[in-house]
Amino acid sequence: NAGVTQTPKFQVLKTGQSMTLQCAQDMNHEYMSWYRQDPGMGLRLIHYSVGAGITDQGEVPNGYNVSRSTTEDFPLRLLSAAPSQTSVYFCASSYTYGGDGYTFGSGTRLTVV
Amino acid sequence: SQQGEEDPQALSIQEGENATMNCSYKTSINNLQWYRQNSGRGLVHLILIRSNEREKHSGRLRVTLDTSKKSSSLLITASRAADTASYFCAAMMDTGRRALTFGSGTRLQVQP
Repeated sequence: NAGVTQTPKFQVLKTGQSMTLQCAQDMNHEYMSWYRQDPGMGLRLIHYSVGAGITDQGEVPNGYNVSRSTTEDFPLRLLSAAPSQTSVYFCASSYTYGGDGYTFGSGTRLTVV
Repeated sequence: SQQGEEDPQALSIQEGENATMNCSYKTSINNLQWYRQNSGRGLVHLILIRSNEREKHSGRLRVTLDTSKKSSSLLITASRAADTASYFCAAMMDTGRRALTFGSGTRLQVQP
């Protein structure tokens, strides 16, 4: 089915470990983004990309890296996990940059102990 | 900082009643969007209203936008138990970073 696929769905990390959250879309969307959602809060933007090879920082980029080598994939890397990064992470994509609704993945629930 | 703020934070109604959620934002926008999130799931796009529009309908959803007051409302008519979810407004700014900024959401409970 067309959409945004995120893996893994759940992950537990120890403080200081690194990992990559995967995000892939098959809708030929140019725009992709990563958000984190913490209890009782809305979504906060981590990084976004307006096309292959182009990325930029969002509201809360510290501790995260991204790259966009293809239109389909937009992985999010945690460099050295901290308990403050315990959250639910959502990847989203849209056809255009700013003019359309987003399609969201089902999320990755990350716990850092 | 969050662009959109929803009111109320929580709302409980009976099936068949209408539910109204409000959203305020801070700066000039290109469009405003509403999303639904069922517990433990991703967000689903409901409706988008552009800054030059005042009202938009989609099925049982009605969205209004008042750019002079920097506010929007989402009305769900004839609510159903399946409408139970969190609802978020998200603002797309007119300048600068073209990314959605989300509010903290309204939790809607529809009692059967």
